[in-house]
Amino acid sequence: AQSVTQLGSHVSVSEGALVLLRCNYSSSVPPYLFWYVQYPNQGLQLLLKYTSAATLVKGINGFEAEFKKSETSFHLTKPSAHMSDAAEYFCAVSEEGAQKLVFGQGTRLTINP
Amino acid sequence: DAGVIQSPRHEVTEMGQEVTLRCKPISGHNSLFWYRQTMMRGLELLIYFNNNVPIDDSGMPEDRFSAKMPNASFSTLKIQPSEPRDSAVYFCASSFILDTQYFGPGTRLTVL
Repeated sequence: AQSVTQLGSHVSVSEGALVLLRCNYSSSVPPYLFWYVQYPNQGLQLLLKYTSAATLVKGINGFEAEFKKSETSFHLTKPSAHMSDAAEYFCAVSEEGAQKLVFGQGTRLTINP
Repeated sequence: DAGVIQSPRHEVTEMGQEVTLRCKPISGHNSLFWYRQTMMRGLELLIYFNNNVPIDDSGMPEDRFSAKMPNASFSTLKIQPSEPRDSAVYFCASSFILDTQYFGPGTRLTVL
């Protein structure tokens, strides 16, 4: 069965600092991997997705993630945090060619001025 | 271009009452998903449809929950009777089959 573990339910960084949100997955078949962002009282918005092409995936708002098969990881990074990045971030996995998304528990990102 | 539309945005009801949540997917999308989000269990897939046909309802918690998709532009999630433990945010998402899922704003359900 697939699963996702997001390390750290809360992450706090200063404005302008590096953002690193960790995601490890478990899958018995090649995975598709996703990062979604959720702003307060809103639905989830896709940041980026990995679908077995390039291992370094660039998304919206300056975020990127790197797929590392040997580490079963798909960590999300952004070089310089902005106040508008404060939100909850969800990592999700699905089997290649499948539709069911399995989500991690989420990481709440706080940006300090 | 309108996104996924959900109604109502907030619903407060009493235990034992019937609750109906509604979703209008993005025009042209042929897959529709219902999710539930709670603090304890996070985001869970309840059921999804392809071309209006239910494909996987293994996430539906119990017989009190039912979902229908009578046509390509409308779906309902019904809870009857509702219980306090059903309190959650319910999201609808739509996509082209095997493509990116786009989420609606959610319905916050409170069962007293």
